Amino acid sequence: DGGITQSPKYLFRKEGQNVTLSCEQNLNHDAMYWYRQDPGQGLRLIYYSQIVNDFQKGDIAEGYSVSREKKESFPLTVTSAQKNPTAFYLCASSMRAGVRHEQFFGPGTRLTVL
Amino acid sequence: DAKTTQPPSMDCAEGRAANLPCNHSTISGNEYVYWYRQIHSQGPQYIIHGLKNNETNEMASLIITEDRKSSTLILPHATLRDTAVYYCIVRVAGAGNMLTFGGGTRLMVKP
Repeated sequence: DGGITQSPKYLFRKEGQNVTLSCEQNLNHDAMYWYRQDPGQGLRLIYYSQIVNDFQKGDIAEGYSVSREKKESFPLTVTSAQKNPTAFYLCASSMRAGVRHEQFFGPGTRLTVL
Repeated sequence: DAKTTQPPSMDCAEGRAANLPCNHSTISGNEYVYWYRQIHSQGPQYIIHGLKNNETNEMASLIITEDRKSSTLILPHATLRDTAVYYCIVRVAGAGNMLTFGGGTRLMVKP
């Protein structure tokens, strides 16, 4: 089945530790995105990538880092510099940035920092 | 980006049509209207999008006013599984494919 996978579904970390969230897609999509969602709120864009080896900051990139070494993968690292990392993280992909193609979302990772 | 305004919550009886409004009075001519929904603790799901003509697919219909300043998403026969937060988004043309999610409308379908 084609789709987007995120792992793990739930993640717990101690304060001060970096943590990397996985996002993989087998849809052959060029563009990938990371969003953060806090309780009762909409989604906010962290980073996005339109092609391999290229990525751009979104609205709330501080304290996060990404890489795009392969078309299928767009991991997000939540660093210790992120002041309030506990949130629901969603990864998405789309066929091609700049064209009116819809985004497909993964199931999300709920990160809790203790 | 053109901002959107949606009511924070709505109720609908099961089997009836759910009409979800969205105001986007500052929309520009090349911006599309997208609708997504998010069922609790899941990733958002694309529903439909349009530019100026009304659109229909297997999930819903999208009615856009002639001046394009508002639109309505119609779920013709709402079921309990349609209970979700519905987001109306106006996409900035030429700025990649970024979507800006506001607060959305929480639709509660009741038996």
